[in-house]
Amino acid sequence: DADVTQTPRNRITKTGKRIMLECSQTKGHDRMYWYRQDPGLGLRLIYYSFDVKDINKGEISDGYSVSRQAQAKFSLSLESAIPNQTALYFCATSDVADKETQYFGPGTRLLVL
Amino acid sequence: DAKTTQPPSMDCAEGRAANLPCNHSTISGNEYVYWYRQIHSQGPQYIIHGLKNNETNEMASLIITEDRKSSTLILPHATLRDTAVYYCIVYNSGGSNYKLTFGKGTLLTVNP
Repeated sequence: DADVTQTPRNRITKTGKRIMLECSQTKGHDRMYWYRQDPGLGLRLIYYSFDVKDINKGEISDGYSVSRQAQAKFSLSLESAIPNQTALYFCATSDVADKETQYFGPGTRLLVL
Repeated sequence: DAKTTQPPSMDCAEGRAANLPCNHSTISGNEYVYWYRQIHSQGPQYIIHGLKNNETNEMASLIITEDRKSSTLILPHATLRDTAVYYCIVYNSGGSNYKLTFGKGTLLTVNP
């Protein structure tokens, strides 16, 4: 969905490096989410934000941090990347007025060596 | 803690209707049925959702049984581009259950 963009689309990094994944949306939604997807495990929620001043941990937040710079921007940081953070990362948005239907970005494929 | 049961895979001929079943026997009264699909590691794509009435949009139709314990997603004229994993999810969008729980879904393969 072009309304939700993620950068970079692919990233290779080394163990111990700090990296940031960025998400932007033009849907005007208040709520934003970060998920990771691993083969056979489905999507798991890392962090979510219901508005600019609201940040909440999801089920697997250890090793990650987020920043909600504006309504349209939600960044995910890996403080010190490790190989088991190799995964496909998705950003999503939703809005109360749209029955909380979540709209996903195209994903960032991250490889940690 | 999967709330839905779907067949792991299905095949469909191009141009025919694809009917994807989902069982959600423990659904509660305020939970919606949502359908998403994921095409080869792309971001999941919203298809349709419903509470108790049948729903139709430009992509698909959703048929929910009267007891709400099961539903069927119908793609009326499947194309090769509909080949994807389809996820049926029950979700209380009005509650604190902000997290979509994606199970293993159904891999739909549309054949020429």
